Amino acid sequence: GESVGLHLPTLSVQEGDNSIINCAYSNSASDYFIWYKQESGKGPQFIIDIRSNMDKRQGQRVTVLLNKTVKHLSLQIAATQPGDSAVYFCAAGNTGKLIFGQGTTLQVKP
Amino acid sequence: DVKVTQSSRYLVKRTGEKVFLECVQDMDHENMFWYRQDPGLGLRLIYFSYDVKMKEKGDIPEGYSVSREKKERFSLILESASTNQTSMYLCASSHQVRGTGELFFGEGSRLTVL
Repeated sequence: GESVGLHLPTLSVQEGDNSIINCAYSNSASDYFIWYKQESGKGPQFIIDIRSNMDKRQGQRVTVLLNKTVKHLSLQIAATQPGDSAVYFCAAGNTGKLIFGQGTTLQVKP
Repeated sequence: DVKVTQSSRYLVKRTGEKVFLECVQDMDHENMFWYRQDPGLGLRLIYFSYDVKMKEKGDIPEGYSVSREKKERFSLILESASTNQTSMYLCASSHQVRGTGELFFGEGSRLTVL
C-alpha cells in the first residue's frame, strides 16, 4: 500500500543553524504534499504545502523542495530557533486523502 | 481562524464500554477526518466524510464507526472499546471539494481504555 516515511526519527541541530528534514513517499500519483509541526500536547499545525506542479515553495524561514523523480520531499528551516523544537510530519495525498509519515523530532540545542 | 474543537481532551474508559468522540468545525468545511496517532506509527486514517451523511473507510476502520448528521459535526464511535484502542485521536477538516488540501486539526482526544 501507500506509504510515507521520514529518513530520521530524530534530528538535533544547533540554534541558528539550518535544519533539513527529509521525507519519501511511495505513490507516484500523489499530487499534494504538506508539512505539519506538532508541539507536545497539541494538534498538528500547518507549516507549508506544495502541489505536484511545483518543485519549490518558500514561506517564512521555511522552504519545501519536491523531487517527483525520486519521490522525495524535504523541509528546510532557516536559522533554527528553540521554538522550532517539535515533531515534524510530512504527508502526501490525492483524491482528498493524506497519508502521513511517522514524524521526525527536531531538537534545538542552545 | 478555522477552529476544530474536540469535545474531550482526556477520557478513561473500561473495556467493552461504548465511547463517543465528538468533533465540531466552524468554517463550513466539506471534508472531515478522524485519525489516530500512536508512537512510531504516525497518523493513521480511520474514517473520513466528504459530505453530510456520507462516510468512507480509511486505512484502519475496524472497531470504529462514524456519524455525520450535520455538516459541522463528525463523531467517532467505539462500539465496544478495547485496550488496543488506547490512543490519541485527532479530528481534522478541510475545504477542498473532493480534492486534497490543508487539513485543520483539533487538539486531540487522548483515550485510555482499561
